[in-house]
Amino acid sequence: GAGVSQSPSNKVTEKGKDVELRCDPISGHTALYWYRQSLGQGLEFLIYFQGNSAPDKSGLPSDRFSAERTGGSVSTLTIQRTQQEDSAVYLCASSTHVAGNTIYFGEGSWLTVV
Amino acid sequence: AQRVTQPEKLLSVFKGAPVELKCNYSYSGSPELFWYVQYSRQRLQLLLRHISRESIKGFTADLNKGETSFHLKKPFAQEEDSAMYYCALNSGGYQKVTFGTGTKLQVIP
Repeated sequence: GAGVSQSPSNKVTEKGKDVELRCDPISGHTALYWYRQSLGQGLEFLIYFQGNSAPDKSGLPSDRFSAERTGGSVSTLTIQRTQQEDSAVYLCASSTHVAGNTIYFGEGSWLTVV
Repeated sequence: AQRVTQPEKLLSVFKGAPVELKCNYSYSGSPELFWYVQYSRQRLQLLLRHISRESIKGFTADLNKGETSFHLKKPFAQEEDSAMYYCALNSGGYQKVTFGTGTKLQVIP
């Protein structure tokens, strides 16, 4: 595709339910990032995938959060037993691994936990 | 470990006034530095990168290795510059890019 695609664009879920957020990166991009952006706040790094290397999970806020990347392309971020504080925009981004190259962001998935 | 610091969460300036968004980094090697911008209801996108030495929308940023800074500057702020600005560092290879926490620029008419 032309850019990073995320789905759903909006998700309202009940507290305690699990949610899955999907990211389709730009074809050929080996690096994939997930970030969280709470209302009026900056970027919060969650997880980084690079090729076949073990992902950098250092930003995941709790064990309720997990992510996988299948076949080096599509990624899914899963939040189990959602809490109200999980409400935020979840951004996915991708890039090549070459230093100096641009990171391209998706439009985000807006999650509201009620 | 690499780190990017943007000390101001919010910067308010009047239209026509000069703007300087501060960014300091810590990294022992030679970093690649970037500014990204997010306008209201738009996706986050690249504004400029230090390696290109370019001016985009009137903005410039100079890498100062002595002060480990990459401040974003514009001589005359416009209302359409109101946005969230993020400084980012790429140490190269397979390391992840590190973003600062962002500065919201508000240009007052």
